[in-house]
Amino acid sequence: SQELEQSPQSLIVQEGKNLTINCTSSKTLYGLYWYKQKYGEGLIFLMMLQKGGEEKSHEKITAKLDEKKQQSSLHITASQPSHAGIYLCGADGNSGAGSYQLTFGKGTKLSVIP
Amino acid sequence: DSGVTQTPKHLITATGQRVTLRCSPRSGDLSVYWYQQSLDQGLQFLIQYYNGEERAKGNILERFSAQQFPDLHSELNLSSLELGDSALYFCASNPFPEGPYEQYFGPGTRLTVT
Repeated sequence: SQELEQSPQSLIVQEGKNLTINCTSSKTLYGLYWYKQKYGEGLIFLMMLQKGGEEKSHEKITAKLDEKKQQSSLHITASQPSHAGIYLCGADGNSGAGSYQLTFGKGTKLSVIP
Repeated sequence: DSGVTQTPKHLITATGQRVTLRCSPRSGDLSVYWYQQSLDQGLQFLIQYYNGEERAKGNILERFSAQQFPDLHSELNLSSLELGDSALYFCASNPFPEGPYEQYFGPGTRLTVT
């Protein structure tokens, strides 16, 4: 079964600083999803990446899927307190077409100090 | 707001009891997914329904069952509850039976078993 490892597990940054969260898969990634979760609340969809080398941005958050499609990174530029939360990467549980469920990493807890 | 609703928001019950969690997917979505989130296991896929039929099964215990009704809402039934069943239960929805496609998560039901 596919496993996703996120690093770091937690991160504390000063407001205005840049940061990167990594997600490494034990298998080739066919669909990689980034979600944000406020403590005890639902997951908010951020971005989905499919193709090797693909890069997507939304406001100050950029996600990239590496060429070999086994690692993704999430980069936040000029962090703000509103970026605080738990970032989760998820991947299709099966390879290729016909996959249904998502397998998630354990999450990275981000704190932004004003 | 993802458009996915879950009730109740909180549930406190005793060991050995049975509870039902309810999920209404986004308008037009035919797939419903159930996930369990606990501190030690993280976010884990339980089961998926598509248009009333079971589509995929994950780490769902035999004491748990689910169904999707003709109006597409879904219920997750948890019986013979144990302390270890205390967790956040999320449902998610999307239009398709398979990926890759993002899933939209509800706010969750927090279950506490005492």
